[in-house]
Amino acid sequence: GENVEQHPSTLSVQEGDSAVIKCTYSDSASNYFPWYKQELGKRPQLIIDIRSNVGEKKDQRIAVTLNKTAKHFSLHITETQPEDSAVYFCAARVGDSWGKLQFGAGTQVVVTP
Amino acid sequence: DAGVTQSPTHLIKTRGQQVTLRCSPKSGHDTVSWYQQALGQGPQFIFQYYEEEERQRGNFPDRFSGHQFPNYSSELNVNALLLGDSALYLCASSFTQGGEQYFGPGTRLTVT
Repeated sequence: GENVEQHPSTLSVQEGDSAVIKCTYSDSASNYFPWYKQELGKRPQLIIDIRSNVGEKKDQRIAVTLNKTAKHFSLHITETQPEDSAVYFCAARVGDSWGKLQFGAGTQVVVTP
Repeated sequence: DAGVTQSPTHLIKTRGQQVTLRCSPKSGHDTVSWYQQALGQGPQFIFQYYEEEERQRGNFPDRFSGHQFPNYSSELNVNALLLGDSALYLCASSFTQGGEQYFGPGTRLTVT
């Protein structure tokens, strides 16, 4: 069935260091992989996404990589700042549907000054 | 340009009651998806509305139903509320079913 696993569940980094969050998916037909950032009490915010015809995408300090063969994708945050502290969710669009997103369980990122 | 809006912000209901939550999509968007987010978990897909019809559904019972209006806004109805229905209900809008989904602020539902 459809499943997205996300690791780690918590991640503590020093300001300026890099953070990496990894997700694996089970549906080989999945073709779209967004990442959301959710601060406490706020809505999930789309921060970056990647489609299955691309292996890597970058936007300033964040980047996402996709390995279709291994069915995993990762979020990389460089030069972390305290405002990067939040819960990050990966998601995969279920292959046989137009819009259903299957989310991972989330990663609590804490950036300490 | 208004983003996705939801009402009400918070709601407290008693077990067995019925509730209606509302969502207005971002300007230019025509598709609304609803998600349930339990505390400490990722959002779970409930269903998606496009062209005023339910197009896809997640693993939620028939107690969960919805509607989309001609102006693309949407409602989520939950009947016979259970304690386990307590959660943050998020709607997300997109341009077409496969577009990028942008979330509203959510409605926090507490069932006592």
